[in-house]
Amino acid sequence: GENVEQHPSTLSVQEGDSAVIKCTYSDSASNYFPWYKQELGKGPQLIIDIRSNVGEKKDQRIAVTLNKTAKHFSLHITETQPEDSAVYFCAALYSGTYKYIFGTGTRLKVLA
Amino acid sequence: GAGVSQSPSNKVTEKGKDVELRCDPISGHTALYWYRQSLGQGLEFLIYFQGNSAPDKSGLPSDRFSAERTGGSVSTLTIQRTQQEDSAVYLCASSKGSNEKLFFGSGTQLSVL
Repeated sequence: GENVEQHPSTLSVQEGDSAVIKCTYSDSASNYFPWYKQELGKGPQLIIDIRSNVGEKKDQRIAVTLNKTAKHFSLHITETQPEDSAVYFCAALYSGTYKYIFGTGTRLKVLA
Repeated sequence: GAGVSQSPSNKVTEKGKDVELRCDPISGHTALYWYRQSLGQGLEFLIYFQGNSAPDKSGLPSDRFSAERTGGSVSTLTIQRTQQEDSAVYLCASSKGSNEKLFFGSGTQLSVL
């Protein structure tokens, strides 16, 4: 069945450094890949997404890259700030369905 | 406009009691999802509603769990005879339709004592 693996489970970086989180999906028909940020006590918030007809998308300090051949996609955060500290989830949506498969999350800590 | 609204934000109940959790999706969103998030874990799919179609209940963990969506808008997740393992955050999400961006509410933290 569909599966999304996410690595690492925890990540600590110094303020100002970059952070990279990687996800691998199993279903080659998946065509939509969102990333969510979840702060303590809050629901997941959509921060960036990418569809399978593009390879990269940027929004200020955040970027997502997609490699369809290898079936993996990554979240890149540059110039990290303490407020970037949160749990980040990747997800994949199987083409033609409504089922989102979520990764297990990455706890990012940005050290001041 | 307003986002996805869930109530209550916190619910403490005794083992064996029934609980109802409410979700108000974003206006105009036809798709509604319920997920469960146990402490430090990922998101577990529970149920999906799309318009007037029959819901996909394949993620409900037992027959103690049920959900309904009235008038294509508000949804209620009901857990009967709660057990301690039901303790988790229950998240609701909505989207304009399938294959559209998914927006989450803040969740209901359920604690079963």
